[in-house]
Amino acid sequence: EAQVTQNPRYLITVTGKKLTVTCSQNMNHEYMSWYRQDPGLGLRQIYYSMNVEVTDKGDVPEGYKVSRKEKRNFPLILESPSPNQTSLYFCASSLLGLAAYNEQFFGPGTRLTVL
Amino acid sequence: GDSVTQMEGPVTLSEEAFLTINCTYTATGYPSLFWYVQYPGEGLQLLLKATKADDKGSNKGFEATYRKETTSFHLEKGSVQVSDSAVYFCALSEAVVNQFYFGTGTSLTVIP
Repeated sequence: EAQVTQNPRYLITVTGKKLTVTCSQNMNHEYMSWYRQDPGLGLRQIYYSMNVEVTDKGDVPEGYKVSRKEKRNFPLILESPSPNQTSLYFCASSLLGLAAYNEQFFGPGTRLTVL
Repeated sequence: GDSVTQMEGPVTLSEEAFLTINCTYTATGYPSLFWYVQYPGEGLQLLLKATKADDKGSNKGFEATYRKETTSFHLEKGSVQVSDSAVYFCALSEAVVNQFYFGTGTSLTVIP
């Protein structure tokens, strides 16, 4: 089944404790992206990647890191999480970057709480 | 910069009522427009899309027309069902800037 998977689905952690949220897709998509969803703000893009070893900042990259060493995986790293990073996070992927007709496929989301 | 503005929610309708969720956009180029739906506890799924002016996207009884003159992409459905209860997001993409912009989402609840 074609899908985007994320792990963990739920995570409660404390300020400053490094964490990684994994994202994997099995559709051979070049483009992958991370978003955070906050009430009243919709989805905001954190980072995106056009291909292996190519990453770029989205609208809200501060406090996050990503890597793209393999085409299928795009982990999101919080080196020193803070309470303002409490949010619902989504990974997404698509073919051929953001060509006009491409849809993004979303993972199920990771709900992160930073105490 | 690019942005999407959509109707604030929440919206509550009775089954078989007519639905309109307004969406307007600001873009520097020629964006593609999308409606995504998020069911409780799930990720977003593409509902419909339109890639150029006057295109109409449609799926599952939902429709939206890309109106360049009014920079709008309103979502409509003639007769909603309880199963349509979800959060709906309007979005645009512009390939040149490699970014996707989402509206804030509109929560729809349909009551029997």
